[in-house]
Amino acid sequence: DGGITQSPKYLFRKEGQNVTLSCEQNLNHDAMYWYRQDPGQGLRLIYYSQIVNDFQKGDIAEGYSVSREKKESFPLTVTSAQKNPTAFYLCASTDNTEAFFGQGTRLTVV
Amino acid sequence: AQSVTQPDIHITVSEGASLELRCNYSYGATPYLFWYVQSPGQGLQLLLKYFSGDTLVQGIKGFEAEFKRSQSSFNLRKPSVHWSDAAEYFCAVGESQYSGGGADGLTFGKGTHLIIQP
Repeated sequence: DGGITQSPKYLFRKEGQNVTLSCEQNLNHDAMYWYRQDPGQGLRLIYYSQIVNDFQKGDIAEGYSVSREKKESFPLTVTSAQKNPTAFYLCASTDNTEAFFGQGTRLTVV
Repeated sequence: AQSVTQPDIHITVSEGASLELRCNYSYGATPYLFWYVQSPGQGLQLLLKYFSGDTLVQGIKGFEAEFKRSQSSFNLRKPSVHWSDAAEYFCAVGESQYSGGGADGLTFGKGTHLIIQP
């Protein structure tokens, strides 16, 4: 079945560590997005990519980095520069009609 | 800059009763409007979307929404709720008919948490 797979579902990070969240899609979509969700805050755009080897910062890109080496993959790295990384992270991809979301990764700093 | 306001953080409705979730947007051009639903710990599912044409839009799971340009609103309605409708609901606006938001993603409201009473 086609869809978006995020892994892991839960991730724990020690302060000062970088961690990478995986997002893979087999929908053949060009555009992919990363959102951060905090309680009572809705979703906020971190980074997006319209095409392979190209990506742009969203509203809250500081402390995050991404790569887009393959059409299917859009990993997000949460760096030690992100001061408050505990959140629920959602990846999405789009075709010409609809956005599809992954099941999310819950990142907790311990 | 575009923005979305969902005035109600929580709404409690009895099972079988009607539902209306409010959404107001601010956007200079023609908005592309969406409603998503999220179950706890899950991703988002698209309920319906409005691009143009008929201002009353039908979606999945018996939901509908009405676009009112004069009021900058896109309220979500359902005539009779079921316990399985309990979830978080998000209204969003985009710059493009591509419902990922086109060039720069979607702008989301902060969500409305729907509680269903038996």
